[in-house]
Amino acid sequence: AQSVAQPEDQVNVAEGNPLTVKCTYSVSGNPYLFWYVQYPNRGLQFLLKYITGDNLVKGSYGFEAEFNKSQTSFHLKKPSALVSDSALYFCAVRVLKGGFKTIFGAGTRLFVKA
Amino acid sequence: SQTIHQWPATLVQPVGSPLSLECTVEGTSNPNLYWYRQAAGRGLQLLFYSVGIGQISSEVPQNLSASRPQDRQFILSSKKLLLSDSGFYLCAWSGQGVAGGRNEQFFGPGTRLTVL
Repeated sequence: AQSVAQPEDQVNVAEGNPLTVKCTYSVSGNPYLFWYVQYPNRGLQFLLKYITGDNLVKGSYGFEAEFNKSQTSFHLKKPSALVSDSALYFCAVRVLKGGFKTIFGAGTRLFVKA
Repeated sequence: SQTIHQWPATLVQPVGSPLSLECTVEGTSNPNLYWYRQAAGRGLQLLFYSVGIGQISSEVPQNLSASRPQDRQFILSSKKLLLSDSGFYLCAWSGQGVAGGRNEQFFGPGTRLTVL
């Protein structure tokens, strides 16, 4: 079965420290991977995606993610966290069979403390 | 630029009443459209998606239905709401066709539905 896992419900980081939000996936074929962020009572916003090419993908607001095929992971990273980064983060994978459905992880809540 | 609208923003409805949520997209043509439900502020459940006018695919058997009467309009409906229909409903669009598989989705602001 095709799936996405975010093993941490919550990640706590001090402002200025690096942050990592973990994501692993299970799909057949080449994966299309995405990260989205959601602020309270808002829709999701696209951060970045991996389709092909360089394993390190840079996105919005200073975020980046590293695609690791051998570990089937796509962890989200930022060198220096801001309090304003506190939000709910979703990893997602595009499934090409049966239409272009996207499977979302359960989400990881990031708290950045001043 | 493209924008996506959803209304209403919030809705409180009694059990057994009908439902109609609307989503419209501007600034693009023939988008793929999606309805999601988000429960308890966490995971997203795909309810319906559409690759064209009148083409609806249902992901989960349920009390809801969807329609796409126009290219950039997507409607979520129910004839009789259940308590379990409460949640945060999100509409999204992405690029169309094969290339659409590579494209990110753009989400609307959501509708918070409470069924009492």
